[in-house]
Amino acid sequence: KQEVTQIPAALSVPEGENLVLNCSFTDSAIYNLQWFRQDPGKGLTSLLLIQSSQREQTSGRLNASLDKSSGRSTLYIAASQPGDSATYLCAVETTSGTYKYIFGTGTRLKVLA
Amino acid sequence: DVKVTQSSRYLVKRTGEKVFLECVQDMDHENMFWYRQDPGLGLRLIYFSYDVKMKEKGDIPEGYSVSREKKERFSLILESASTNQTSMYLCASSQTTPKYEQYFGPGTRLTVT
Repeated sequence: KQEVTQIPAALSVPEGENLVLNCSFTDSAIYNLQWFRQDPGKGLTSLLLIQSSQREQTSGRLNASLDKSSGRSTLYIAASQPGDSATYLCAVETTSGTYKYIFGTGTRLKVLA
Repeated sequence: DVKVTQSSRYLVKRTGEKVFLECVQDMDHENMFWYRQDPGLGLRLIYFSYDVKMKEKGDIPEGYSVSREKKERFSLILESASTNQTSMYLCASSQTTPKYEQYFGPGTRLTVT
């Protein structure tokens, strides 16, 4: 059964710092991996989608990488800002079983001004 | 832009009531999903639908049913609400997988008293 883990669960950094969020998964049989942002009490906003054949995707200050063989993805945020404060979740789309998307429990990020 | 809307942001119901949560998407997506999100447990899939009138159980279907009579609309029904169904409910949609992103609605915070 696919399991997705995100470490750390919470992170506080000063404004301007570059940071890396981690996502690991146990089964490399995935179609894609998606990173989301969630503000308190709100829905999820899609940030980046990496297909299984890709190694990375970039959008503005965000860069996500995927290493399927080791079951790992990272989300790199450059020059962090207080507005980046949110919970970041990763999800994998599985190729087997009855599940479609398996989510990690997220990393709660706080960027201090 | 893809838009996924949910009928209510906040809902308070009494134990034993029948509860309807509605989700509408405007991008002709084939797939629609209902999740619940609880602290420490992350997002868990309740049901998903890959076509009109088609549905599949997710991780935690007990106590829930769904209806998809039209492509754009996916309803979650709590047959007899219980206090352990107090949660944040999130609807999502996507084009036929693999490869495509999930788009989420703003969520419904349901409290059962």
